Amino acid sequence: KAGVTQTPRYLIKTRGQQVTLSCSPISGHRSVSWYQQTPGQGLQFLFEYFSETQRNKGNFPGRFSGRQFSNSRSEMNVSTLELGDSALYLCASSSEPLAGETQYFGPGTRLLVL
Amino acid sequence: GQSLEQPSEVTAVEGAIVQINCTYQTSGFYGLSWYQQHDGGAPTFLSYNALDGLEETGRFSSFLSRSDSYGYLLLQELQMKDSASYFCAVKENTDKLIFGTGTRLQVFP
Repeated sequence: KAGVTQTPRYLIKTRGQQVTLSCSPISGHRSVSWYQQTPGQGLQFLFEYFSETQRNKGNFPGRFSGRQFSNSRSEMNVSTLELGDSALYLCASSSEPLAGETQYFGPGTRLLVL
Repeated sequence: GQSLEQPSEVTAVEGAIVQINCTYQTSGFYGLSWYQQHDGGAPTFLSYNALDGLEETGRFSSFLSRSDSYGYLLLQELQMKDSASYFCAVKENTDKLIFGTGTRLQVFP
């Protein structure tokens, strides 16, 4: 089985712009979670989607949003980018909703905001 | 508040044994997971403990004490390739997965 894929892998944006990141889960997985990883804050939960519905949301401002399509692929969008949004954005898939015991992570999208 | 405490860095030599501790304070608790992440790579799942006790998987073992809100990852027969960051994570009662800030393990020859 192919693993979790994320596109793009690297992205450079300027403050005020918006960005859309994409995640394709492992075939058959219906749950996709997104995380932000920064050196100072570690891995922080953004949101989780299961069967096209947002099941859970972390403590991030409304500028961060996401969606999931019928084929389980997911996108996250960040509007009005700020310098502090520079981070590695990881998505993870699992067969069941946020199966904490086993999530499969993608390689991440490294976003740099200038 | 929710918090998971891990040491920031641990060093050891090849062949040694190292223990990475994790103490947690979360809103409810379903289980403790451990992930490994090499520099530039994605986190990969190592182990999961829902009940008290020791789970062994090859050279890696994970322990949980729910009464102490404490767990640890034990790495035996360390190899250079074990140099990575290790994260504990708790699935709490809102179904969110909360990660610790990670422990950077450096293995020296």
